Amino acid sequence: QVQLQESGPGLLKASETLSLTCSVSGGSFTRYYWGWIRQPPGKGLEWIGYIFDGGHTKYNPSLKSRVSLSIDASKNQISLRLDSVTAADTAIYYCAREGGGYRFDYWGQGTLVTVSS
Amino acid sequence: QSVLTQPPSVSAAPGQKVTISCSGSSSNIESNYVSWYQQFPGTAPKLLIYDNVARPTGIPDRFSASKSGTSATLGITGLQTGDEADYYCGVFDTLSYSVLFGGGTKLTVL
Repeated sequence: QVQLQESGPGLLKASETLSLTCSVSGGSFTRYYWGWIRQPPGKGLEWIGYIFDGGHTKYNPSLKSRVSLSIDASKNQISLRLDSVTAADTAIYYCAREGGGYRFDYWGQGTLVTVSS
Repeated sequence: QSVLTQPPSVSAAPGQKVTISCSGSSSNIESNYVSWYQQFPGTAPKLLIYDNVARPTGIPDRFSASKSGTSATLGITGLQTGDEADYYCGVFDTLSYSVLFGGGTKLTVL
């Protein structure tokens, strides 16, 4: 059974950099895209981007200038970096596996990141 | 405001059937696979339907989906109070080269 676990600071100040890590266990880490999705409190889902184990990335155009994903296959981890955060970046951040056909078939439990002004 | 349009809420009585629509365009729903997700409060979304109509292992056949042109529909039969959740459609958009989600629909089982 594939399991994903997000970790990172839960509170940031405006203009700081958000850094989260997702640790993957169970199943194969390679040959999949691994993505990040966020959800502001009480609102819908927003795709941030995803990364393939070879390092190939795709980003949401609306976040592309501030976001960077990286992968450490030796540790089965993917990381998210989002620069210059504002209160609008306050959300639950989920990592998920893209299982083909742009579907996300395994999700982490999510981690709440709050940006204070 | 999402590019994929879902009704904010739907409701029906236990045992009845409900449908949730997801309206998009030729660059997303019409040309790519649609997925559906179920999310209970305080939990991560769960894949319910993929490749327009397929159910992952463990998802009961009370859940079904279809697609026609630029719209997709999720159907739930034999409604149970345990089905009360938020439902999201998701699809890749060829124009923006990004994954899109609908705004979500809150299902209430009266």
